[in-house]
Amino acid sequence: GESVGLHLPTLSVQEGDNSIINCAYSNSASDYFIWYKQESGKGPQFIIDIRSNMDKRQGQRVTVLLNKTVKHLSLQIAATQPGDSAVYFCAEGGGTASKLTFGTGTRLQVTL
Amino acid sequence: DADVTQTPRNRITKTGKRIMLECSQTKGHDRMYWYRQDPGLGLRLIYYSFDVKDINKGEISDGYSVSRQAQAKFSLSLESAIPNQTALYFCATSGIDSDYGYTFGSGTRLTVV
Repeated sequence: GESVGLHLPTLSVQEGDNSIINCAYSNSASDYFIWYKQESGKGPQFIIDIRSNMDKRQGQRVTVLLNKTVKHLSLQIAATQPGDSAVYFCAEGGGTASKLTFGTGTRLQVTL
Repeated sequence: DADVTQTPRNRITKTGKRIMLECSQTKGHDRMYWYRQDPGLGLRLIYYSFDVKDINKGEISDGYSVSRQAQAKFSLSLESAIPNQTALYFCATSGIDSDYGYTFGSGTRLTVV
């Protein structure tokens, strides 16, 4: 199995419920934020991004919220499905997506 | 074919050996990165390159070196492997003005015994 998530915080959600994954970022100068999903045995995959001139952005079943005042980022997944089970990382960067700094991740477990 | 290909996928090597991890990409991106992933520590940047003639150290470059052989190829070497370099290694690429962050490879699981 995948050992990368061995010591990660875990969020357990029932199938069909909404999930909220939180992330605190460190650099107040960061102006670009991304959420990645990492499934077992795979590399991180882009989910959604947001720039600092926005506080909310929606994708398909996912919404990212940005609160620059408290340096907080959240990922909301609507109607969570078993295929959403994975480790989720936030990342922050300046300007374009160069030299991103990644959070440690949260494991999402979807129960039936 | 994957956009970013890493070889090997898994490798077990002995302490003191030199080992090279390879990465190639078909995205046409100029920027390439090597990250290391450890349990509870997230992804940490080892080296990055913004074009063929540009190489920069990341936050944990000690014990590693890189070579950017071409726009599409970026290899990572462990000069003399040690057990605490046991980790998952990821290569990634990005465009100059990418709005989609990085594209990652599938990773190389390296074990140093």
